[in-house]
Amino acid sequence: SQQGEEDPQALSIQEGENATMNCSYKTSINNLQWYRQNSGRGLVHLILIRSNEREKHSGRLRVTLDTSKKSSSLLITASRAADTASYFCATDNSMEYGNKLVFGAGTILRVKS
Amino acid sequence: DAGVTQSPTHLIKTRGQQVTLRCSPKSGHDTVSWYQQALGQGPQFIFQYYEEEERQRGNFPDRFSGHQFPNYSSELNVNALLLGDSALYLCASSLTMNTEAFFGQGTRLTVV
Repeated sequence: SQQGEEDPQALSIQEGENATMNCSYKTSINNLQWYRQNSGRGLVHLILIRSNEREKHSGRLRVTLDTSKKSSSLLITASRAADTASYFCATDNSMEYGNKLVFGAGTILRVKS
Repeated sequence: DAGVTQSPTHLIKTRGQQVTLRCSPKSGHDTVSWYQQALGQGPQFIFQYYEEEERQRGNFPDRFSGHQFPNYSSELNVNALLLGDSALYLCASSLTMNTEAFFGQGTRLTVV
């Protein structure tokens, strides 16, 4: 079963615009991680936000976490054609060993040049 | 610093056969997890190894088994392959709880 659900399922924007993807989950978590995947290859780690954090930045990426609403958002500013990929959120709620990640189905982002 | 490496990249097997996939974790990482990703879906957790023992397991049958070696590398074995086992198999490594998990490029398994 998948805990996280990304919204929207697909997003198409022009280069230079901002892209926002949302993720909702069902249970309490230790942390939430965002990943990018190009053309069915491996997952590239983007950012980890812990349950006691509300916002994190990394370059053009901004992630927010609202544990009361069990939701997170990923904002990519000034998008580029190279940002075209699938984006996944993954939650970790394992109590003992950690990193038993539960993924959503992902958001497909297309950035048109 | 090498990241997570997986081999082979692609594999074609016949239904009923057995397959072994391999993973070397990122330098300094001691925990390896395996995921299965079907086409168009998010990855699903298979199991996790730490200190050469299976520590956590997802909802996968016993046909899926694994091993971790003293150098932290790991193998995923799948017996009695089914057509439905066709997927991208991803290995992830991490160090401790509440830290980032880094993924390899995956092994694309096709069962015919």
